[in-house]
Amino acid sequence: GQNIDQPTEMTATEGAIVQINCTYQTSGFNGLFWYQQHAGEAPTFLSYNVLDGLEEKGRFSSFLSRSKGYSYLLLKELQMKDSASYLCAVRDSNYQLIWGAGTKLIIKP
Amino acid sequence: IAGITQAPTSQILAAGRRMTLRCTQDMRHNAMYWYRQDLGLGLRLIHYSNTAGTTGKGEVPDGYSVSRANTDDFPLTLASAVPSQTSVYFCASSGGTSGSGANVLTFGAGSRLTVL
Repeated sequence: GQNIDQPTEMTATEGAIVQINCTYQTSGFNGLFWYQQHAGEAPTFLSYNVLDGLEEKGRFSSFLSRSKGYSYLLLKELQMKDSASYLCAVRDSNYQLIWGAGTKLIIKP
Repeated sequence: IAGITQAPTSQILAAGRRMTLRCTQDMRHNAMYWYRQDLGLGLRLIHYSNTAGTTGKGEVPDGYSVSRANTDDFPLTLASAVPSQTSVYFCASSGGTSGSGANVLTFGAGSRLTVL
């Protein structure tokens, strides 16, 4: 079956750096997405990786290794507003999105 | 403000009742989707539509139906609600069909449905 694994919850300190990992086993691969979801709100798009390597966008970066079925989202200079769930999703060979359960990130002062 | 509007925001429903969740987008996106989100699980696709006039089944379609009469509207109907359909429902849209580039999804604010 298809599977996306990410930690259920992580805690980090304001101003620090945190890395959220995502591993996947899917039928084919046509891109990996990270979305942010604040409690009670809709998911919003953060990043997209289709080739191996690092994509940087301000304080957020996303890395992909297709051979290892692995991605991470790196958040730098953490702010309290970064407290949210981070969803990893992979598009499979049928171009369907397979979603992880999300990682709840708690930021402490 | 361009985006997706969902209604109702929240609803409590008796089991066996019929319910339609409404979704309207003003971005002229071709593709639209309905997901449900349950605690501890990833978003699960219920139904989708790649363009007006066409619909398809997702991962968990049983008990749900959709229609796509025009580009903007994509209602989701529960013909006879059951407690296992208690969930948060998100409508989403994208500018291309699944195979086109990044195909980023824009989500509505969600509809919280409780079936008793």
